[in-house]
Amino acid sequence: AQKITQTQPGMFVQEKEAVTLDCTYDTSDPSYGLFWYKQPSSGEMIFLIYQGSYDQQNATEGRYSLNFQKARKSANLVISASQLGDSAMYFCAMTTDQTGANNLFFGTGTRLTVIP
Amino acid sequence: DAGVTQSPTHLIKTRGQQVTLRCSPKSGHDTVSWYQQALGQGPQFIFQYYEEEERQRGNFPDRFSGHQFPNYSSELNVNALLLGDSALYLCASSYGNGYTFGSGTRLTVV
Repeated sequence: AQKITQTQPGMFVQEKEAVTLDCTYDTSDPSYGLFWYKQPSSGEMIFLIYQGSYDQQNATEGRYSLNFQKARKSANLVISASQLGDSAMYFCAMTTDQTGANNLFFGTGTRLTVIP
Repeated sequence: DAGVTQSPTHLIKTRGQQVTLRCSPKSGHDTVSWYQQALGQGPQFIFQYYEEEERQRGNFPDRFSGHQFPNYSSELNVNALLLGDSALYLCASSYGNGYTFGSGTRLTVV
């Protein structure tokens, strides 16, 4: 079975500062993918970044980077230069070969608030 | 280019009733997945449709059923509604890898 743990229900960050959102995962499948999604109050899940289990380098997408530590089974999201528009719920999610590449398994999320 | 469109945006139903939620996928996408997101939780996978067939299913009872039409749009049906079915229902479409999510339908069962 797979499990995603996000231990930070809420986080605050000053505008223009960097923030790290934590995610740990557990799976027995050696092949898996890790995702981060942003969910604003409007409800849609917005894809931010993806890391494959065999990727050698940490993924980056603009201001988003994923700190992937495979041995520790962690996939933390780093947002640099926070903006007011970054205030939202953030979800870590995983797919595995076992569950199917299109079956996303989500954590419980972290609510990020950016303070002006 | 329209993204994923879901209707209605909000819905209130009574226990025991049946409900149908609708989803139009992003242009060019042929696969539709449905997720249930209870308050304060992450989304949970309900099922996925491809070529008008249910391809994969999560841990949801048979009260939850779906359909995909030849134009790739999809419906989610829930029978015998329970209070615990109150949630945001998200539709996601895809072609190959990579989802695009809709804004969801918020269902309240009273």
